[in-house]
Amino acid sequence: QQPVQSPQAVILREGEDAVINCSSSKALYSVHWYRQKHGEAPVFLMILLKGGEQKGHEKISASFNEKKQQSSLYLTASQLSYSGTYFCGATNTGNQFYFGTGTSLTVIP
Amino acid sequence: DVKVTQSSRYLVKRTGEKVFLECVQDMDHENMFWYRQDPGLGLRLIYFSYDVKMKEKGDIPEGYSVSREKKERFSLILESASTNQTSMYLCASSLNLAGVAADTQYFGPGTRLTVL
Repeated sequence: QQPVQSPQAVILREGEDAVINCSSSKALYSVHWYRQKHGEAPVFLMILLKGGEQKGHEKISASFNEKKQQSSLYLTASQLSYSGTYFCGATNTGNQFYFGTGTSLTVIP
Repeated sequence: DVKVTQSSRYLVKRTGEKVFLECVQDMDHENMFWYRQDPGLGLRLIYFSYDVKMKEKGDIPEGYSVSREKKERFSLILESASTNQTSMYLCASSLNLAGVAADTQYFGPGTRLTVL
């Protein structure tokens, strides 16, 4: 039931772009994205509630493809502050919620 | 701001001990969750509660139990701690405006439990 994220880990230089994918074997009703910095609690980034919805703020955005049962998180012109572990969370129509396996992102100068 | 607090940041226990992890939220949230976090496995749900005295099993409830006697407090209990329960434990809460699908979850700082 747990969504699978890819890649597991990525290292970027400042200013580079990254895409993190989240795939589910089950139909999705909504997708959440969270970021956890080292030693801290996960923090909410955004929720996508409809298939095809796209959301974003600053240089972080996400899309949700309901048919493909997947979501992608886009980080553009990455900054050092983007480093952390990114988690997707997905719900199905049964109102069950599962976090994904996580993607470690490291931005270096 | 929502505040979710956990009783300990670090805990060391011996195999077979009964362990209590406490979580308190201050925003009158309906839903509360317990997760464990292990490298490569992400966050796995142990139990969640959508109301006082109500609970539902998550993905990995074996070896754990929970208690929610008051709305603001959700306890995780390891009946007889084992070494494979060494992990980071995270508590979260959400308001329940429209079920878990649309709720932002607010996390506590986590408790790193080591079972020797």
